Amino acid sequence: GQQLNQSPQSMFIQEGEDVSMNCTSSSIFNTWLWYKQDPGEGPVLLIALYKAGELTSNGRLTAQFGITRKDSFLNISASIPSDVGIYFCAGQRRGGSNYKLTFGKGTLLTVNP
Amino acid sequence: DSGVTQTPKHLITATGQRVTLRCSPRSGDLSVYWYQQSLDQGLQFLIQYYNGEERAKGNILERFSAQQFPDLHSELNLSSLELGDSALYFCASSKAGTGSTGELFFGEGSRLTVL
Repeated sequence: GQQLNQSPQSMFIQEGEDVSMNCTSSSIFNTWLWYKQDPGEGPVLLIALYKAGELTSNGRLTAQFGITRKDSFLNISASIPSDVGIYFCAGQRRGGSNYKLTFGKGTLLTVNP
Repeated sequence: DSGVTQTPKHLITATGQRVTLRCSPRSGDLSVYWYQQSLDQGLQFLIQYYNGEERAKGNILERFSAQQFPDLHSELNLSSLELGDSALYFCASSKAGTGSTGELFFGEGSRLTVL
């Protein structure tokens, strides 16, 4: 099946630092999405990307859809304590009747105040 | 609040037992998805229903089954439970079925502990 390699697995940073995480795949995806999961909650969509090369921002978050369609990255600028959580990338491949998302294993972000 | 409601939030049961997890999607959403989250496997897609019909199947065990009712709520049935079934089970919903954009709204999850 499709596999997403998300890195790093975890990050420990100081408040105010910038963060970068990425996701790669051996398969092409039509859509890349980034979700965040706070402790005790379900994942929440942060950014959705629909075109190769697309660069999209949501506040301090910026994500890009790789030109090869096999990768995506998420940057967080000037991190704050509430950025703590697990960040998941997800890829979707449209075709036939199969529209399921494939999720990466997540990046656990810890922000030290 | 995502608008997706899952019950129960926590469930503790014994091996061999059967449990039912319930999900109410966001108002207007026709698709319901079930995911299993464990520490070592991340978010694993189990199954999707669209307007009452099964639309896609993932890594769902034969001991597990699901359905979506006419009022669009869904239930995930887990039977002959094993220790390894202990996990967080998430329900998510979206408006679309075959036209899904991948934008899902997740509930808070049901934490299942099998002893």
